[in-house]
Amino acid sequence: DGGITQSPKYLFRKEGQNVTLSCEQNLNHDAMYWYRQDPGQGLRLIYYSQIVNDFQKGDIAEGYSVSREKKESFPLTVTSAQKNPTAFYLCASSMRSETQYFGPGTRLLVL
Amino acid sequence: DQQVKQNSPSLSVQEGRISILNCDYTNSMFDYFLWYKKYPAEGPTFLISISSIKDKNEDGRFTVFLNKSAKHLSLHIVPSQPGDSAVYFCAASKETSGSRLTFGEGTQLTVNP
Repeated sequence: DGGITQSPKYLFRKEGQNVTLSCEQNLNHDAMYWYRQDPGQGLRLIYYSQIVNDFQKGDIAEGYSVSREKKESFPLTVTSAQKNPTAFYLCASSMRSETQYFGPGTRLLVL
Repeated sequence: DQQVKQNSPSLSVQEGRISILNCDYTNSMFDYFLWYKKYPAEGPTFLISISSIKDKNEDGRFTVFLNKSAKHLSLHIVPSQPGDSAVYFCAASKETSGSRLTFGEGTQLTVNP
């Protein structure tokens, strides 16, 4: 059945380490997005991609990187430059200019 | 600059009564608005949306009202059920930015049996 999957559900990062969060969709959606949610706050856009091999920075892109080599996949790397990475990360996808649908999320914790 | 704001962090209502969740926005370029519902440790699920050419959209127990002059929208849930207890986010987008969304902070709704 169609949907958006994110893995892992929980991820632990050590100081100075880069970690990559996976997002896959089989909805044939053109656009994909990464958001971060912190306690008591709304979702903030990190990066988004409207087409393969193209992506744009969102509101809080510093310390993160992405790639979009395949339509189905939009992995997010949290680099060591991100000083406060502990958060709930959400991936979403949509057809262009239509409703976004979200994956189940990945919780990133720093050891 | 918080362009979409939900001023009530929480709301508590009795089962069977109406829940009204409010959202204000500052950017007059926003032309499409959505409500999402989110349970803890899960992704948000889409509830209902409204285009700026309308002032009301209804889907079952959920109705969204848009007041463009006041830059205000609200979500009405009637009747409220305990399973509606969740965090509700409003979001807005503008045609010129494609489907990029700006979210409010969320309102925790608790429906008491």
